[in-house]
Amino acid sequence: ETGVTQSPTHLIKTRGQQVTLRCSSQSGHNTVSWYQQALGQGPQFIFQYYREEENGRGNFPPRFSGLQFPNYSSELNVNALELDDSALYLCASSRVPEGRGEQYFGPGTRLTVT
Amino acid sequence: AQSVTQLGSHVSVSEGALVLLRCNYSSSVPPYLFWYVQYPNQGLQLLLKYTTGATLVKGINGFEAEFKKSETSFHLTKPSAHMSDAAEYFCAVTFTGTASKLTFGTGTRLQVTL
Repeated sequence: ETGVTQSPTHLIKTRGQQVTLRCSSQSGHNTVSWYQQALGQGPQFIFQYYREEENGRGNFPPRFSGLQFPNYSSELNVNALELDDSALYLCASSRVPEGRGEQYFGPGTRLTVT
Repeated sequence: AQSVTQLGSHVSVSEGALVLLRCNYSSSVPPYLFWYVQYPNQGLQLLLKYTTGATLVKGINGFEAEFKKSETSFHLTKPSAHMSDAAEYFCAVTFTGTASKLTFGTGTRLQVTL
């Protein structure tokens, strides 16, 4: 069984640029969630995708957007990067409805905005 | 709205001593509760979960947690700490039903000393 994978592992961008982060779900999972973890903080929910549609969103501005593909992989796009966007971005996959809320996390992408 | 409070941002124990990490939650509906562990520069690994049924749940690496509805608590314990247990621990809650967003606590850093 393949776990959740994310790419790239590290990324450095300049303020104002755009970035795309990628995630491959665990085999058999149909839902992907994205979280932002700032240094020294717990992860914060960005949004979730189910059946290629956004299925819930946290308190993040519209410049954070995403996609889910038919193979359940996903992208997180962030436009007009700000310094505060520097964080570890975590992708988690799950199986709805059987999963009972259990989410499996990838290793994360460390984004640094300068 | 659901929330999680982890008491103690840092906990230090001696190797072989009892580990107790505290988590209290707030939820207007029956919760699903989780403990995750995060090692440096890595993603989150699921330690254990409570969904329904037995209130004492056992997880990996000798950890266990007890769901106490009357106290709205889900504290994590391990009888004997090992050096390899040093990591950041996060308590998280979600609603029953679908794989909705996880709300995380701010984390507790566990230090294990000789």
